[in-house]
Amino acid sequence: AQTVTQSQPEMSVQEAETVTLSCTYDTSESDYYLFWYKQPPSRQMILVIRQEAYKQQNATENRFSVNFQKAAKSFSLKISDSQLGDAAMYFCAYRRIQGAQKLVFGQGTRLTINP
Amino acid sequence: GAVVSQHPSWVICKSGTSVKIECRSLDFQATTMFWYRQFPKQSLMLMATSNEGSKATYEQGVEKDKFLINHASLTLSTLTVTSAHPEDSSFYICSARRFVDQPQHFGDGTRLSIL
Repeated sequence: AQTVTQSQPEMSVQEAETVTLSCTYDTSESDYYLFWYKQPPSRQMILVIRQEAYKQQNATENRFSVNFQKAAKSFSLKISDSQLGDAAMYFCAYRRIQGAQKLVFGQGTRLTINP
Repeated sequence: GAVVSQHPSWVICKSGTSVKIECRSLDFQATTMFWYRQFPKQSLMLMATSNEGSKATYEQGVEKDKFLINHASLTLSTLTVTSAHPEDSSFYICSARRFVDQPQHFGDGTRLSIL
């Protein structure tokens, strides 16, 4: 079974600084999707960024970028120029392409932005 | 685009009653909808996957007679918690997906409190 591990329960960063959230996963599949979701205090899950495993290029969405290391099964999220609105729980998630296509979530990392 | 509406956002009811939660995709047709449960400070736990017009697929350990899921149309899925008890109190989140290669979009969640 696929598993997703986020080893940092909590992280904090100064406003305007850069922070990196870690995520590792375990799978025997060669093709799959990886996601980062943000859950602010309102508790709505918001898709931050998505990566297809067959793409070598790291995905980027404005201030958010990933470092996807397929061989190491690592998928970290970098937030540049951190803003107060970035404070939230961040969940890394995995999804197979074939077969059961449910999301498998990590435990989450709570990110605090210090003004 | 890709808006998912969940209703109600908060419900309080007496033990023994049944509660229905609605999940609607407002601007797209969702072939698949998912129901999650989230305990405080924990990750999302998938309860079941429902495809329009067919029976839901429940995850191991989830009582299908307790949590009734209906996905009668491409824009609406409902979760009914039958004979609810205090241990059913939780945050329930739905998500919807149009096609298999597209990401899930989440509703705002429903906070269920059973007295």
